[in-house]
Amino acid sequence: DAKTTQPPSMDCAEGRAANLPCNHSTISGNEYVYWYRQIHSQGPQYIIHGLKNNETNEMASLIITEDRKSSTLILPHATLRDTAVYYCIVNNIYNFNKFYFGSGTKLNVKP
Amino acid sequence: DAGVIQSPRHEVTEMGQEVTLRCKPISGHDYLFWYRQTMMRGLELLIYFNNNVPIDDSGMPEDRFSAKMPNASFSTLKIQPSEPRDSAVYFCASSLVPDMNTEAFFGQGTRLTVV
Repeated sequence: DAKTTQPPSMDCAEGRAANLPCNHSTISGNEYVYWYRQIHSQGPQYIIHGLKNNETNEMASLIITEDRKSSTLILPHATLRDTAVYYCIVNNIYNFNKFYFGSGTKLNVKP
Repeated sequence: DAGVIQSPRHEVTEMGQEVTLRCKPISGHDYLFWYRQTMMRGLELLIYFNNNVPIDDSGMPEDRFSAKMPNASFSTLKIQPSEPRDSAVYFCASSLVPDMNTEAFFGQGTRLTVV
């Protein structure tokens, strides 16, 4: 299974865009890129996922490079409530037993 | 729907005691997952069910751990006997068929402390 590499922490100013990178150089063709976040003391929350095209929803945008070896989660206007640990996960959609969360990126949004 | 509901939110127990954690998945969801989170190991998938049937329990740490899903609206994770190293936050999650358009919804977790 592909694994991911994320920076342990990042800072972002409130109101600015937060760009969270993720490397997944060994991703295979049938594996999706998922992003979840976990706000302190809460359960993980789904954000977005994609295969090879860029995706956007009400929470964020996901940019996947053409070779699919890396991706970036973009929070367009970060707020203090976006402070959380963000997990990038690569997974075959039918292999829930391989849904590995890793250590994620702690995003600190500062006023 | 109120989301995935777990109880209790906090549990403190003495070593050797039996502990039962409970989960009510979102109505209509076919899949239910139990995760454990610790500082050392992060989030680990323990077991998951499909239509009340355990599919993969390879993440269950040892025989002291057992999970059941007697019906579509209820699941339990039992630890007997409990040990201090079982102290962690236990999350339950549920989802529809895990195809490309579904996501897993997590409960608020149960913080277990074994003293």
